[in-house]
Amino acid sequence: DTAVSQTPKYLVTQMGNDKSIKCEQNLGHDTMYWYKQDSKKFLKIMFSYNNKELIINETVPNRFSPKSPDKAHLNLHINSLELGDSAVYFCASSQAAGANVLTFGAGSRLTVL
Amino acid sequence: AQSVTQPDIHITVSEGASLELRCNYSYGATPYLFWYVQSPGQGLQLLLKYFSGDTLVQGIKGFEAEFERSQSSFNLRKPSVHWSDAAEYFCAVALSYNTDKLIFGTGTRLQVFP
Repeated sequence: DTAVSQTPKYLVTQMGNDKSIKCEQNLGHDTMYWYKQDSKKFLKIMFSYNNKELIINETVPNRFSPKSPDKAHLNLHINSLELGDSAVYFCASSQAAGANVLTFGAGSRLTVL
Repeated sequence: AQSVTQPDIHITVSEGASLELRCNYSYGATPYLFWYVQSPGQGLQLLLKYFSGDTLVQGIKGFEAEFERSQSSFNLRKPSVHWSDAAEYFCAVALSYNTDKLIFGTGTRLQVFP
């Protein structure tokens, strides 16, 4: 059973489109995250949610909108995609806010043409 | 600003050789330190962490790391590398136990030759 699963694994789209990436965890964790890994492998936190509540929003453009319908799901919607949005997006979860030990999904590679 | 530096972008070792991956952090107090490994096409997996206590910590897959406050370092070591250790290794720092925010280094790619 996959602990943190993301879909889709690969996403290729045109500039200006809107797309979503879904994430689900079956670990019973309270906190979920989105991280962005750029072409140089640099990983940076974008958002974290604790029990469906936004905890961290790291100066991400408001074209990015996370949504957490319940504590097991954290989806990422991106409007008006730009070339610079091309990256691998990782979802992660942790047992509680501030617990620090993250379980990552396998990543979703977004390519914007 | 707080930062994590992994000076080696790419390291190549022979199978069976020893390994040391370097990590330095910039932070005034003692941070919480982590090493994660990312195999090709996979997410990151926690290898080990240091929060307090014994400065030499043991992790999974035979890895260990030593926190050296005087050097602001948390280097990862393994006495004998296996071909399956080929991956990208990330050092990360949390500035307090109560923060959700991990600051990652830029990673070191490990290549293992038979």
